[in-house]
Amino acid sequence: NAGVTQTPKFQVLKTGQSMTLQCAQDMNHNSMYWYRQDPGMGLRLIYYSASEGTTDKGEVPNGYNVSRLNKREFSLRLESAAPSQTSVYFCASSVNRAGDSPLHFGNGTRLTVT
Amino acid sequence: AQKITQTQPGMFVQEKEAVTLDCTYDTSDQSYGLFWYKQPSSGEMIFLIYQGSYDEQNATEGRYSLNFQKARKSANLVISASQLGDSAMYFCAMRERGNYQLIWGAGTKLIIKP
Repeated sequence: NAGVTQTPKFQVLKTGQSMTLQCAQDMNHNSMYWYRQDPGMGLRLIYYSASEGTTDKGEVPNGYNVSRLNKREFSLRLESAAPSQTSVYFCASSVNRAGDSPLHFGNGTRLTVT
Repeated sequence: AQKITQTQPGMFVQEKEAVTLDCTYDTSDQSYGLFWYKQPSSGEMIFLIYQGSYDEQNATEGRYSLNFQKARKSANLVISASQLGDSAMYFCAMRERGNYQLIWGAGTKLIIKP
């Protein structure tokens, strides 16, 4: 049982390049999330998808777009990468949005924008 | 306003000792959930334990227990018989009822000494 799978694990981009981070979960979870983690700032929510077919902005959505392709997959796109987007990106999923539903995380993508 | 406070940026503990990681929270909701996550140096985020605000018993999961003091708004993680593999960052998080967002603390870096 793979859980939450993210690709790629590492990526280096030049300013202005675009890329898509892929995420898939095999736990039949309804809700999926994208976070970024920066030193000293903890985890910040970029976008989330409460259920298939819906997406909503989180705390720091600017510069990103998302697609909930189906129940399993939730991708994050950087259209024009900036150095400020250098970070570690985590995808997560949960059964639903309920208070007792823990998030299960992928292993993260370390992105560097030069 | 900061809603999750982890006052210990770093801790050193001797192997086999018990360790308590502090977490205080702030919410006006009566219904909420509290979570603890572990992040080893390898980077993945691992869900450890959950406590609901209406749960009468403190949550336990193996060597992990949550010392929940509702009146004090604290949800401290207790690790019994610490092991070298417990060395990691530990994050406390809270979700209020009806809110999709997990609110994260800044984390505590725990180092277990042999």
